[in-house]
Amino acid sequence: ILNVEQSPQSLHVQEGDSTNFTCSFPSSNFYALHWYRWETAKSPEALFVMTLNGDEKKKGRISATLNTKEGYSYLYIKGSQPEDSATYLCAFREQGAQKLVFGQGTRLTINP
Amino acid sequence: DTAVSQTPKYLVTQMGNDKSIKCEQNLGHDTMYWYKQDSKKFLKIMFSYNNKELIINETVPNRFSPKSPDKAHLNLHINSLELGDSAVYFCASSQVMSREQYFGPGTRLTVT
Repeated sequence: ILNVEQSPQSLHVQEGDSTNFTCSFPSSNFYALHWYRWETAKSPEALFVMTLNGDEKKKGRISATLNTKEGYSYLYIKGSQPEDSATYLCAFREQGAQKLVFGQGTRLTINP
Repeated sequence: DTAVSQTPKYLVTQMGNDKSIKCEQNLGHDTMYWYKQDSKKFLKIMFSYNNKELIINETVPNRFSPKSPDKAHLNLHINSLELGDSAVYFCASSQVMSREQYFGPGTRLTVT
């Protein structure tokens, strides 16, 4: 059974502060790592798909890094805004597999 | 324009009934998925179709049957509904399996 873990499970951050959280996944047979943003009462929205060790992707104030050898990815949010409040999901895909295995998410709340 | 749509959004029904949830995507994607959000809020893959062909069929009771009449539609039929089937079901699509997935708004199924 593949284990994809995200930490912390929830996080409260003051508006304007920067923050980061972690996704851990198996370090063998890596194929891809996805990040999604899931706002309450909406559907998950893709942020990044990462495939190469050392990859760094950026979208506005959000960026992500990938270390496939040690099996982790970090998501960073710079200068948090209230609209960043959401659950951030990572999902791992193994080589040769066709499905994504999702973590349980990090629930981020930005306090104004 | 809604990219991935699901109907109905809410479904309340009694144990033993048969019900269907419909999903349509207008993105021209080849691959479609059904996920179940379990009681711990994890998204778990149930089925995936690529060009109307079933490619992922997780360990799901055979009361659940997906049907893909064409590339743009993937419906989920559930026979003899049980209390434990109560969950939110999400449809998603992607251009190919390796790319990011686009999720529908979810269908909240309540079995009484």
